[in-house]
Amino acid sequence: AIQMTQSPSSLSASVGDRVTITCRTSQDISSALAWYQQKPGKAPKLLIYDASSLESGVPSRFSGSGSGTDFTLTISSLQPEDFATYYCQQFNNFLTFGGGTKVEIK
Amino acid sequence: QVQLQQWGAGLLKPSETLSLTCAVYGGSFSDYYWSWIRQPPGKGLELIGEMNLSGFGNYNPSLTSRVTISIDTSKNQFSLNLSSVTAADTAVYYCAREVSTLTYFDSWGQGTLVTVSS
Repeated sequence: AIQMTQSPSSLSASVGDRVTITCRTSQDISSALAWYQQKPGKAPKLLIYDASSLESGVPSRFSGSGSGTDFTLTISSLQPEDFATYYCQQFNNFLTFGGGTKVEIK
Repeated sequence: QVQLQQWGAGLLKPSETLSLTCAVYGGSFSDYYWSWIRQPPGKGLELIGEMNLSGFGNYNPSLTSRVTISIDTSKNQFSLNLSSVTAADTAVYYCAREVSTLTYFDSWGQGTLVTVSS
């Protein structure tokens, strides 16, 4: 099974900060990666698919990059509504999720 | 705009069968895979399984002996049965729409907390 490692597991940031979250996979998955945002008590929301494609309706401050084994989710200017937990998910070999990165208010 | 609404029993005893149903409103029911995902309290997400209207799909290998996903096309609903539950099955269970087999999920239900306790 493909192992997913997200880093950091949590971070503190301020409104307006640029935030970068990393997802590393244990084997090459090409671009078969998605990113989700989850707020407490709510279902995950799709942000990015195919590593860098922005889901319809998602603000352009969110972007994804990477291929192979190393991927990045970037929030260019953190907004109050962006404080949440973010998960990566690979779909190259079956389907697995990363452990999550909690973005908290500094 | 598609909406998924789910329901089912929230408290079970060990060895009982978990049963959840998800209704799909809006959008195409035939062009997607329909999935169940769970999240133990304070933990990450795990695919339980997926199914399309033709009966093709996949189950998580760790759960396949206990899981059944079925689809009712007349009602635009799909269901999850998980047998012989234990405390380890305590989780929030989500239904979700999957763009294609073993890909990603673009719409989710609201989630149902299922607690297994004697």
